[in-house]
Amino acid sequence: QKEVEQNSGPLSVPEGAIASLNCTYSDRGSQSFFWYRQYSGKSPELIMSIYSNGDKEDGRFTAQLNKASQYVSLLIRDSQPSDSATYLCAFRDNYGQNFVFGPGTRLSVLP
Amino acid sequence: DTAVSQTPKYLVTQMGNDKSIKCEQNLGHDTMYWYKQDSKKFLKIMFSYNNKELIINETVPNRFSPKSPDKAHLNLHINSLELGDSAVYFCASSPFGSGGAGDTQYFGPGTRLTVL
Repeated sequence: QKEVEQNSGPLSVPEGAIASLNCTYSDRGSQSFFWYRQYSGKSPELIMSIYSNGDKEDGRFTAQLNKASQYVSLLIRDSQPSDSATYLCAFRDNYGQNFVFGPGTRLSVLP
Repeated sequence: DTAVSQTPKYLVTQMGNDKSIKCEQNLGHDTMYWYKQDSKKFLKIMFSYNNKELIINETVPNRFSPKSPDKAHLNLHINSLELGDSAVYFCASSPFGSGGAGDTQYFGPGTRLTVL
């Protein structure tokens, strides 16, 4: 069974702080990893994708991938109340057809 | 223009009924998906179609039947609805291929199904 594990939270951080979201995955052969943001009552939207070990930065977001540890994380710098949402970690399986999502971590950024 | 649209947005029905949810994308993508998100917020893939051909059919009851009349449309028909079918159903689309732009999925707004 291919799985993604995340801490369900809620993770509360003060405005301006760094929020750190973590995820582990089971499919060692996976090559593609994603972070989606989902506001309450809305659909998921892709915020980061990462394919290689190391860091990938996009604005205030940094994704980190460690394939040996089967671990991917998302850092949000200068957190804003508008970042309050559920963050879903996902990977695309080794066959390239199936996306597997984690249960999501609920982030709350306090003003 | 909405990239991925679904109808209806809300669906309330009785157990045992048959219902359909429609999805359309105007992005020119080759691949479309149906996901179910339950009350615990788990987002689980149900079906995937590439150019009108089924390429993923996860273990879902055969009461669920996807239909793709063309590559811009993927509908979901559900027979004999059960209480456990209550969830939010999301349609999504992506360009075909793994890696790079092929991995970007665009989700529809979701259909909240409530079975009474």
